[in-house]
Amino acid sequence: GQQVMQIPQYQHVQEGEDFTTYCNSSTTLSNIQWYKQRPGGHPVFLIQLVKSGEVKKQKRLTFQFGEAKKNSSLHITATQTTDVGTYFCAGGGSQGNLIFGKGTKLSVKP
Amino acid sequence: DGGITQSPKYLFRKEGQNVTLSCEQNLNHDAMYWYRQDPGQGLRLIYYSQIVNDFQKGDIAEGYSVSREKKESFPLTVTSAQKNPTAFYLCASRRLAGVSTDTQYFGPGTRLTVL
Repeated sequence: GQQVMQIPQYQHVQEGEDFTTYCNSSTTLSNIQWYKQRPGGHPVFLIQLVKSGEVKKQKRLTFQFGEAKKNSSLHITATQTTDVGTYFCAGGGSQGNLIFGKGTKLSVKP
Repeated sequence: DGGITQSPKYLFRKEGQNVTLSCEQNLNHDAMYWYRQDPGQGLRLIYYSQIVNDFQKGDIAEGYSVSREKKESFPLTVTSAQKNPTAFYLCASRRLAGVSTDTQYFGPGTRLTVL
């Protein structure tokens, strides 16, 4: 079935360093969504990308959707301790459901 | 998130007991989902429903049951057949809009512990 692979599984950075997480799908996605889950919390929607090659920015966060709509990335510039959490990507599947990656857990050392 | 509520927040169960987790949404969303999350793991889909009185098995449906008698409610029963039920359970809902999917909103979750 459809799968969304997300790497890395864990990332430890020094505060101020950049961070990137990547998602790859085995099939073309109708869209890609990104979520953030703080420790002890629940996933919270960040953004959705729909168009091929789309790039969106939210302050220090940059989201990209690949030209083939099979991959996506989330880049955080100059990480802060408030960025700590697990970032999930979720791809729109062929049956209208969302297929989640396993997430990238980000820790930031002050 | 938004208008999705889950109860209880924490739940303790003895082995061999069935337990039902509540999920309610007032967002008028068509689809509702149940996920299981184990420590350090991603989200695994248990069951989902896109319309009242209909639901589909997800990747790990064994040992669980659901019902969708009302659009706003999607309770999950963890049965005694579920061998390792201790986990964080997340409910989510989404409006199905034509050919494009819409944002999925999550409830605050229920932490189930089997004693």
